[in-house]
Amino acid sequence: DQQVKQNSPSLSVQEGRISILNCDYTNSMFDYFLWYKKYPAEGPTFLISISSIKDKNEDGRFTVFLNKSAKHLSLHIVPSQPGDSAVYFCAASDGSNYQLIWGAGTKLIIKP
Amino acid sequence: EAQVTQNPRYLITVTGKKLTVTCSQNMNHEYMSWYRQDPGLGLRQIYYSMNVEVTDKGDVPEGYKVSRKEKRNFPLILESPSPNQTSLYFCASSFAHNTDTQYFGPGTRLTVL
Repeated sequence: DQQVKQNSPSLSVQEGRISILNCDYTNSMFDYFLWYKKYPAEGPTFLISISSIKDKNEDGRFTVFLNKSAKHLSLHIVPSQPGDSAVYFCAASDGSNYQLIWGAGTKLIIKP
Repeated sequence: EAQVTQNPRYLITVTGKKLTVTCSQNMNHEYMSWYRQDPGLGLRQIYYSMNVEVTDKGDVPEGYKVSRKEKRNFPLILESPSPNQTSLYFCASSFAHNTDTQYFGPGTRLTVL
């Protein structure tokens, strides 16, 4: 049973438009969430994170929104650029152990 | 340059032949972890280590062993590999905790025939 779900395996967005990647979770004990980005033949790299005490965190073109009541978070990329084409992973932690639970990933394709 | 290195990058082996995938980091990180990535399943944690001589199981530890004798190294050992261990493996490290930014190695593509 996947505790972190990314229901869209892929997403195609026009360059310059907004990309919205979604992530749902089932464990209400999760209190910290992270997004990682992965290019082919490379390891994932950290993108942005959010604590459950916040509902929004922004870093340049990237914003993560957290809706605790819906157990849902989303990553917004504005404006989308060709270099944003990658697989995006959502991950969550409940703080009680040293594990991260990861989603299956969403492949984002930015069309020129 | 701060980095996590893994070797080998690609490996094809046969069932039952013991193998070790090495992982080394040069950032003096305390936390290290091994993941496997399979299609549709994302990243699943195999083992992690909070510091030297301190390791614990992740979600999918069966068939794997690890050791942490030095801070910088965290090898993954498959004593008797089986075809269901064919996967893409990543080693990662972070300063002290899993919620700190984790730095990942480039991955090891393992095929067990």
